[in-house]
Amino acid sequence: DADVTQTPRNRITKTGKRIMLECSQTKGHDRMYWYRQDPGLGLQLIYYSFDVKDINKGEISDGYSVSRQAQAKFSLSLESAIPNQTALYFCATSGGGGNEQFFGPGTRLTVL
Amino acid sequence: AQSVSQHNHHVILSEAASLELGCNYSYGGTVNLFWYVQYPGQHLQLLLKYFSGDPLVKGIKGFEAEFIKSKFSFNLRKPSVQWSDTAEYFCAVRYFASGGSYIPTFGRGTSLIVHP
Repeated sequence: DADVTQTPRNRITKTGKRIMLECSQTKGHDRMYWYRQDPGLGLQLIYYSFDVKDINKGEISDGYSVSRQAQAKFSLSLESAIPNQTALYFCATSGGGGNEQFFGPGTRLTVL
Repeated sequence: AQSVSQHNHHVILSEAASLELGCNYSYGGTVNLFWYVQYPGQHLQLLLKYFSGDPLVKGIKGFEAEFIKSKFSFNLRKPSVQWSDTAEYFCAVRYFASGGSYIPTFGRGTSLIVHP
């Protein structure tokens, strides 16, 4: 199932570097989300977007920024990566209303 | 802020044992409830969901969950687990926020290990 894709799948970088994680979807959904997953902490919402002109901060947006280039694309940037941003990052989409979310395969980011 | 609590962080069972994973949420208004599963090395996928109607919801792979509004709970159950159920399980709640948007909140997850 490749409805939600993420690139890269793995990335190792150094402190202070700028990193961009990309998400694309073919589901035609308006809503897109970025989460980070840390062991024992579950999924924490970083940013979400309900359409191309709508960007909202989640619970842990500090140190991150996003861009919704098109309905199908939602990118997450770390302007200056730090080691505690080492985590698994997931992109997700959903349709209108209270529908379920569809997740991408994740990007494992390591900041040295 | 709204919260979702999963009481069991790690559960270890033998095959054929019964499973119940707890999930409680803090919001008193309208909610949609979900259980997601994450198999090792994979992304999250939906097990089941509750929006309205019958509070006992059946999902894939023999899982079910019961919504008890008075207890703000949505516990996940399976009568007889299999080794292939080894995974991480997440409860999620979508609640109605200002401006009319549903924002999903996830619990911290429960790691289930099933021994053959």
